[in-house]
Amino acid sequence: EVQLVESGGGLVQPGRSLRLSCAASGFTFNDYAMHWVRQAPGKGLEWVSGINWNSGNMGYADSVKGRFTISRDSAKNSLSLQMNSLRAEDTAVYYCAKGSGSSWLDWFGPWGQGTLVTVSS
Amino acid sequence: SSELTQDPAVSVALGQTVRITCQGDSLRSFYASWYQQKPGQAPVLVIYGKNNRPSGIPDRFSGSRSGNTTSLTITGAQAEDEADYYCNSRDSSGYHWVFGGGTKLTVL
Repeated sequence: EVQLVESGGGLVQPGRSLRLSCAASGFTFNDYAMHWVRQAPGKGLEWVSGINWNSGNMGYADSVKGRFTISRDSAKNSLSLQMNSLRAEDTAVYYCAKGSGSSWLDWFGPWGQGTLVTVSS
Repeated sequence: SSELTQDPAVSVALGQTVRITCQGDSLRSFYASWYQQKPGQAPVLVIYGKNNRPSGIPDRFSGSRSGNTTSLTITGAQAEDEADYYCNSRDSSGYHWVFGGGTKLTVL
């Protein structure tokens, strides 16, 4: 059974940084693309970033490009999201999701349970 | 703003059939996925590709596409189907993913 467990969320001041992690198990992590998706409180879903199986290609939403960096560690079966220059509008629950194939351009699911990031002074 | 448009709310009588739609130009080129989200829970994939269901998803859920519109149909809606439903696909550039604004389904 696929399991995705996010961690690293919390309260952070505007302009500061935060790093999220996602521990993956139940599948061959190195074979699949991975994604981050977020949901602001009471709002809809927003795709944040995706990364290929071998870290050879990534994609980012325009709203986070240049501030967020996605990465993966094949040895630790872990996905990360480094978030810099955080803004109030980045406040959301952040979910990691497993890709359906090796490319982040393929559909994705299942998802983890999410970790809440609150950006506030 | 989302490139995929959904009706904010839809209702259906228990046991009846309901169609939830999603419109967008990119849907002419890319298939959509559909996610179900219940309060306080993570989204769950219910339909992907042309009309595929992950294991464990009841066969009352089905998907279709016509032109720039993709639809999720629930045939014989159950009380447990009450949830928010989101469509998801690649945008017109093909290099970003976008979600519809979501449809809140009420089962009466």
